[in-house]
Amino acid sequence: DAKTTQPPSMDCAEGRAANLPCNHSTISGNEYVYWYRQIHSQGPQYIIHGLKNNETNEMASLIITEDRKSSTLILPHATLRDTAVYYCIVSSGAGSYQLTFGKGTKLSVIP
Amino acid sequence: ETGVTQTPRHLVMGMTNKKSLKCEQHLGHNAMYWYKQSAKKPLELMFVYSLEERVENNSVPSRFSPECPNSSHLFLHLHTLQPEDSALYLCASSQDIGGANQGYTFGSGTRLTVV
Repeated sequence: DAKTTQPPSMDCAEGRAANLPCNHSTISGNEYVYWYRQIHSQGPQYIIHGLKNNETNEMASLIITEDRKSSTLILPHATLRDTAVYYCIVSSGAGSYQLTFGKGTKLSVIP
Repeated sequence: ETGVTQTPRHLVMGMTNKKSLKCEQHLGHNAMYWYKQSAKKPLELMFVYSLEERVENNSVPSRFSPECPNSSHLFLHLHTLQPEDSALYLCASSQDIGGANQGYTFGSGTRLTVV
């Protein structure tokens, strides 16, 4: 699996959009971008994934650049419960079960 | 509740004890995983099962012994552990190996302390 680079920490005001960047410059053509988050002392939670088109679900939006070398996870209206470590992972999915978690970004939502 | 249930939530064991961690999922998933998360370290994949067959053993010491009796249950048997094995042990499942379409569903983990 390709490696990703994320800032170690970010702050966001409650109610504002949180934009979490991720660089994955060595991503292969068949690799997806996955985002998970881990709230303190809990298991990681799947958020969203995409290949090359932008994706949106009830939790977040995923914006992938045209060259696929970077992406941004957007939480449109951050709440205190969104405080967590956010992991950006690239994986080809089926047949590649090495979901490699890095250190992620610690997002702190400030009241 | 995520659909993946791990028991116990907390476990303290001595180095000579034998204990087991249990993971259960009724999501109809075919793949199950054990991960280890030590303090301030990234998650480490330990074992992978697909349709009850072990497909990956990530150089894990033999004092950790997994068992998958059916597609809904996964165990991690522990014996003669070391204090450095203290960590959060996480179970996950996915529809198919690799979790291509829907990602992995993780349990809440077992916080293990070896004394």
